[in-house]
Amino acid sequence: QKEVEQNSGPLSVPEGAIASLNCTYSDRGSQSFFWYRQYSGKSPELIMSIYSNGDKEDGRFTAQLNKASQYVSLLIRDSQPSDSATYLCAGLNYQLIWGAGTKLIIKP
Amino acid sequence: DTGVSQNPRHKITKRGQNVTFRCDPISEHNRLYWYRQTLGQGPEFLTYFQNEAQLEKSRLLSDRFSAERPKGSFSTLEIQRTEQGDSAMYLCASSLRGTGVEKLFFGSGTQLSVL
Repeated sequence: QKEVEQNSGPLSVPEGAIASLNCTYSDRGSQSFFWYRQYSGKSPELIMSIYSNGDKEDGRFTAQLNKASQYVSLLIRDSQPSDSATYLCAGLNYQLIWGAGTKLIIKP
Repeated sequence: DTGVSQNPRHKITKRGQNVTFRCDPISEHNRLYWYRQTLGQGPEFLTYFQNEAQLEKSRLLSDRFSAERPKGSFSTLEIQRTEQGDSAMYLCASSLRGTGVEKLFFGSGTQLSVL
């Protein structure tokens, strides 16, 4: 069964520090990966997409992909209390396969 | 606001009643997805359309669920004879399938509570 695994957390990070979120996947056919942020009671919001090995940076966010090890990560620099949310990782082959999300708490 | 609109935002119904949800995607998007999400879980795929054609439906989906996308614009999701286990957030997402990586944009969701 194709799966995307995430630690459910909560992951607690002090304000201003780097938050590191990880995701592993089992489907080697997955070519593209996505990080979505979801606030409580709200719908998922796309933050980053990545499909090449290595790093991709967008503002305070950096996505990392290692296809050989089958993991994806999201780094959030200079963490802010507004970054507190659940972060969902998803892999795309012919269909999106979703992880259950990691709850991130940024402590002021 | 992603531009994907869902109505209603909340729906409370009694067990055994039928409910219908509506989704209006981003106008130029040709794909429309329905997902269901419960607390602490990622979105669960239900079905998707490319234009007006329903291309895939989850094998786990009960035949009480049906979706339509007439004319390839808005979509409706109907649940017949609702059960308490149907209580969840129902999410609609749209995307533009073409060249490049397909990215999904979600609506605000419809929270269904079956009493």
